[in-house]
Amino acid sequence: SQKIEQNSEALNIQEGKTATLTCNYTNYSPAYLQWYRQDPGRGPVFLLLIRENEKEKRKERLKVTFDTTLKQSLFHITASQPADSATYLCALPASGGSYIPTFGRGTSLIVHP
Amino acid sequence: DVKVTQSSRYLVKRTGEKVFLECVQDMDHENMFWYRQDPGLGLRLIYFSYDVKMKEKGDIPEGYSVSREKKERFSLILESASTNQTSMYLCASTAHKTTGRWSRYNEQFFGPGTRLTVL
Repeated sequence: SQKIEQNSEALNIQEGKTATLTCNYTNYSPAYLQWYRQDPGRGPVFLLLIRENEKEKRKERLKVTFDTTLKQSLFHITASQPADSATYLCALPASGGSYIPTFGRGTSLIVHP
Repeated sequence: DVKVTQSSRYLVKRTGEKVFLECVQDMDHENMFWYRQDPGLGLRLIYFSYDVKMKEKGDIPEGYSVSREKKERFSLILESASTNQTSMYLCASTAHKTTGRWSRYNEQFFGPGTRLTVL
């Protein structure tokens, strides 16, 4: 099954800067990768999906890259705001052909005003 | 607006009690999931269901059972609650198809979570 690694240490950045979060996986190349946002005491909320044949995906201030050679996805938030403070989870198929995602443990982002 | 609801936000039970957690989705999704989330361990899949009356074990099914009698409702049952089942429980659903075509890529819609404390 897939093993996913996200930085367990919180990322602290200043408002207005670009936040970059990393998701590394160790086994087979997944057909897709998803990013979710989770606020304290709440369920995760889907943000973006990127497929294996896509290098980059954008949505407003969010940008996701997918490097199947490095087995890594980067999640960027440009012009970050305190309201972006949350935990961000990446998710990949649990195994080849599966529609069941496996989630990383998430990285906490703290944007300081 | 799509919605997944869970029966309780907070629940306190005693060791040995039978506990029911209910989840309802209004999106006509085929697939429903139960996860638990613990600090440092992330989201772990307990059970999932891809159709009415169908269920599959996830990564940590021990001590749990599920029931799906109707498409919109998926219940998680703790037959005899134990203190190590104190956790945040999250329900999710996802469509099996998008625009009529089967898709593996569909995002999960999560409920607000139930924080269960077993004393």
